[in-house]
Amino acid sequence: GESVGLHLPTLSVQEGDNSIINCAYSNSASDYFIWYKQESGKGPQFIIDIRSNMDKRQGQRVTVLLNKTVKHLSLQIAATQPGDSAVYFCASRSNDYKLSFGAGTTVTVRA
Amino acid sequence: DAGITQSPRHKVTETGTPVTLRCHQTENHRYMYWYRQDPGHGLRLIHYSYGVKDTDKGEVSDGYSVSRSKTEDFLLTLESATSSQTSVYFCAISEWQGGNQPQHFGDGTRLSIL
Repeated sequence: GESVGLHLPTLSVQEGDNSIINCAYSNSASDYFIWYKQESGKGPQFIIDIRSNMDKRQGQRVTVLLNKTVKHLSLQIAATQPGDSAVYFCASRSNDYKLSFGAGTTVTVRA
Repeated sequence: DAGITQSPRHKVTETGTPVTLRCHQTENHRYMYWYRQDPGHGLRLIHYSYGVKDTDKGEVSDGYSVSRSKTEDFLLTLESATSSQTSVYFCAISEWQGGNQPQHFGDGTRLSIL
């Protein structure tokens, strides 16, 4: 089945700097990808998604990049704020419509 | 926030007892899912439903059963709880499975089996 992994389990970033969180997936047939944010004691919250026919999508302060050649996606957060401290994880959808989730990167924002 | 309510939010019980977790949605979405979240693992799918009385297994379904008698409610039952089922359980919903349809999650149930 699909395996989804994140490159780093933790990331410490200075407030105001940009953050980059990386994710790799294994199934080249995956057609849809999602980034979620999870704060302590809460459920995963949708941030942004991207279809496999795109290589970049922008939201408010966030950008997702997709590189299908190397099966890699990244989430960029501009001007990181204290409220961005959370666990971030990616999910990919395979051809059976199931989502596979990475284990998560914990982002800590330093004041 | 998506209208998803999970109950109870916390539960402690003993090995061998039956446990039922409830997920209630107000979005009228067709698809509902149960996941478990454990340290070092991504979310893992237990069971899902694609309509009233229509359910199917996920990757970690052993020891769990589900029921969906109404669009808005999806129940997860541990018939005889074991310590390995100590976890945080999340319910998710989606309108359909194709297209640009992210799943939206409830805030979870923390279950401890002693």
